[in-house]
Amino acid sequence: KQEVTQIPAALSVPEGENLVLNCSFTDSAIYNLQWFRQDPGKGLTSLLLIQSSQREQTSGRLNASLDKSSGRSTLYIAASQPGDSATYLCAVYKLIGGTALIFGKGTTLSVSS
Amino acid sequence: KAGVTQTPRYLIKTRGQQVTLSCSPISGHRSVSWYQQTPGQGLQFLFEYFSETQRNKGNFPGRFSGRQFSNSRSEMNVSTLELGDSALYLCASTSGVGNEQFFGPGTRLTVL
Repeated sequence: KQEVTQIPAALSVPEGENLVLNCSFTDSAIYNLQWFRQDPGKGLTSLLLIQSSQREQTSGRLNASLDKSSGRSTLYIAASQPGDSATYLCAVYKLIGGTALIFGKGTTLSVSS
Repeated sequence: KAGVTQTPRYLIKTRGQQVTLSCSPISGHRSVSWYQQTPGQGLQFLFEYFSETQRNKGNFPGRFSGRQFSNSRSEMNVSTLELGDSALYLCASTSGVGNEQFFGPGTRLTVL
């Protein structure tokens, strides 16, 4: 059974700091991995999608990497800003059986000015 | 391009009642998935519909059901509501490119 773990559960940093969020999964037979951002009481915003054949994806100040063999992904946020404060969720796609996403519990990030 | 829309945004029901939630996917997306989010369990997959057929199903009781229409709009129904059904219900539509999922704002269901 695929399980997704995100460490740490919460993180507080001062503005301007570079930071790394971690995601691990137990079954390396994944199709894709997707990172999301969720603001309190809101839906999910897709940040980055990494297909299983890729090692990393970049969008602006965000860079996500994927190492299937070790069951790990990281989300790197450069020069953090108060507007980055949110919960960040990692999710993997099951390889068989459609497009069900299996989510971690998320990392809640707080960036102080 | 308009995003995923969900209606209603908020619902308050009492135990034993039933509820129907609606989701309109991004234009051109044929797959719609539903998820339940609670503080204790996090985000859990309910089911996925593609071309009006349920293609995938999570581990939820039969009280949770759904359907998809020919225009790809989807509805989710929960019968005989229980207090534990209080949650944020999220709908996602899937792009044909890499199966990237895009989520709506959710429907907040409160069961009293």
